[in-house]
Amino acid sequence: AQTVTQSQPEMSVQEAETVTLSCTYDTSENNYYLFWYKQPPSRQMILVIRQEAYKQQNATENRFSVNFQKAAKSFSLKISDSQLGDTAMYFCASTGGGADGLTFGKGTHLIIQP
Amino acid sequence: GAGVSQSPRYKVAKRGQDVALRCDPISGHVSLFWYQQALGQGPEFLTYFQNEAQLDKSGLPSDRFFAERPEGSVSTLKIQRTQQEDSAVYLCASSFPTGGYEQYFGPGTRLTVT
Repeated sequence: AQTVTQSQPEMSVQEAETVTLSCTYDTSENNYYLFWYKQPPSRQMILVIRQEAYKQQNATENRFSVNFQKAAKSFSLKISDSQLGDTAMYFCASTGGGADGLTFGKGTHLIIQP
Repeated sequence: GAGVSQSPRYKVAKRGQDVALRCDPISGHVSLFWYQQALGQGPEFLTYFQNEAQLDKSGLPSDRFFAERPEGSVSTLKIQRTQQEDSAVYLCASSFPTGGYEQYFGPGTRLTVT
């Protein structure tokens, strides 16, 4: 069984600032995968970034990067140079892979202010 | 099409009616997942298909919920005798069963039971 916890229901920052969204998880799997998904008001869930637990190097995708602390079971998302289009719900999720569905956190509503 | 599609996008049903929600996954994606997303919450896993085989239906909330994928492509989620608590967004996702295990989501169907 897996659990994912996002403790920040809402965050608001100014455009161009850097923001970090927190996520902790718990799993009994030896190997697992972690994701951040973005859900804009239009509702389509979009993959932002993923991290394989067996990789020590933190994943990076353009302005998005993660801080993966395996021992602490922490998986935070950093958004640099935030843009108005980054305004959305952000969900942290985990899976053991294969037939396992994703386990999601409750989400963080990120608001980028102009 | 390039992405996962779902229809209808919106469905209003009177309590007690049956509904059928359709999902067209990305061509070639073997794995297909259904999720239920209540308002203000993260998605919750309902069921998983690998090709036409339903390998996990542990998340289906009651025996009123039924899913099928007879030819290993299009999937239908059916809800019989709808109740008000069934009101939610139903998301479909598809993926390859190997590699990074990232799932690609459709836009969802918003079901409102009155």
